[in-house]
Amino acid sequence: NAGVTQTPKFQVLKTGQSMTLQCAQDMNHNSMYWYRQDPGMGLRLIYYSASEGTTDKGEVPNGYNVSRLNKREFSLRLESAAPSQTSVYFCASSGGTSGGYNEQFFGPGTRLTVL
Amino acid sequence: AQRVTQPEKLLSVFKGAPVELKCNYSYSGSPELFWYVQYSRQRLQLLLRHISRESIKGFTADLNKGETSFHLKKPFAQEEDSAMYYCALLTGGGNKLTFGTGTQLKVEL
Repeated sequence: NAGVTQTPKFQVLKTGQSMTLQCAQDMNHNSMYWYRQDPGMGLRLIYYSASEGTTDKGEVPNGYNVSRLNKREFSLRLESAAPSQTSVYFCASSGGTSGGYNEQFFGPGTRLTVL
Repeated sequence: AQRVTQPEKLLSVFKGAPVELKCNYSYSGSPELFWYVQYSRQRLQLLLRHISRESIKGFTADLNKGETSFHLKKPFAQEEDSAMYYCALLTGGGNKLTFGTGTQLKVEL
């Protein structure tokens, strides 16, 4: 099993450009998440999807949109990139079944630079 | 509002010395806390959770509700413990986590 995969690994954008970060998991997990990691800020939740067909805002959703394409895939879109969106983006998934906490499994990250 | 505070950005210790990574939280409900670790060039992964009350790689963490703390401890640091450590609090539905800002642990020889 590959676990959680993300593409691309690296990306450089110019201000105003758009792009979509892709995430897929092969663990049959219900819940998926997008985080950004910035120095001194830790990981902050951008959006999450508790189950297929649902998405909800996290702590820092402005400037982003998401799509839960199916149970496996959860994409993050930047419609008009800004330098403040320069960050490392992590996707994660968890079983999300009822009753207790399900460990989150993380992807390798996408390093995005916006010039 | 929920919050996780890790006061140290960097903690440097010598091999064999005790380690304590601090974590304090603010949460109105019943807290569930975790430690995640990110080794160099590896993915972020769960280290331990307070409910399990287990020791992983020699690390333990006890939830102290009176002090609202969940400090991570290890009696004798090893070189392979060098990593970024994040404390996290389960908040709301959907298994959402609120992470602290992280502490970089550096174990020197």
